[in-house]
Amino acid sequence: GEDVEQSLFLSVREGDSSVINCTYTDSSSTYLYWYKQEPGAGLQLLTYIFSNMDMKQDQRLTVLLNKKDKHLSLRIADTQTGDSAIYFCAESITGGYNKLIFGAGTRLAVHP
Amino acid sequence: ETGVTQTPRHLVMGMTNKKSLKCEQHLGHNAMYWYKQSAKKPLELMFVYSLEERVENNSVPSRFSPECPNSSHLFLHLHTLQPEDSALYLCASSQDRVTGPTDTQYFGPGTRLTVL
Repeated sequence: GEDVEQSLFLSVREGDSSVINCTYTDSSSTYLYWYKQEPGAGLQLLTYIFSNMDMKQDQRLTVLLNKKDKHLSLRIADTQTGDSAIYFCAESITGGYNKLIFGAGTRLAVHP
Repeated sequence: ETGVTQTPRHLVMGMTNKKSLKCEQHLGHNAMYWYKQSAKKPLELMFVYSLEERVENNSVPSRFSPECPNSSHLFLHLHTLQPEDSALYLCASSQDRVTGPTDTQYFGPGTRLTVL
């Protein structure tokens, strides 16, 4: 079945790196996404990675994909208080339309 | 600003009321989605419209009724809701039937619904 799992909480010190992990089940997923949700807001697309890539870097964000283990991670370098939010991992399921399966979200808390 | 707007941002209604949520996208997309986000469950896909045709109804109770008059607008009509329907309702849009990152869904800010 389709399932995406994430740990629920992560607490880091300001300036440190944060690593948020995700596992998914559908090996046919073509794209995997990371979304960010700040309090009271909708989901903001952070980055995505195509399934034939191992790594993607975008400024402070690094996405690593281990397709064999179906494991996706998001690393945020030099984490700031503004990075405090809920981070959702999502996999795309191919079909008649773009269906995304979301994880439950990881709440990142950044403390001084 | 993602190019997807939702109104109202907050709504309080009684169980006997009828109200509607509105979503508008300015991205030229042809697929639109309604999601429900509550404290107890992760994001739940409710409805999907592709090319103005409903392609998925994810076992949603009939007290929620979607409407997609054109590819830029999506409504969710609400009637005789229950307190457990209180949640954040998110709208999203994407460019459907295209393979590639343009499949990406872009979300609106959501409507926070409270049913008394």
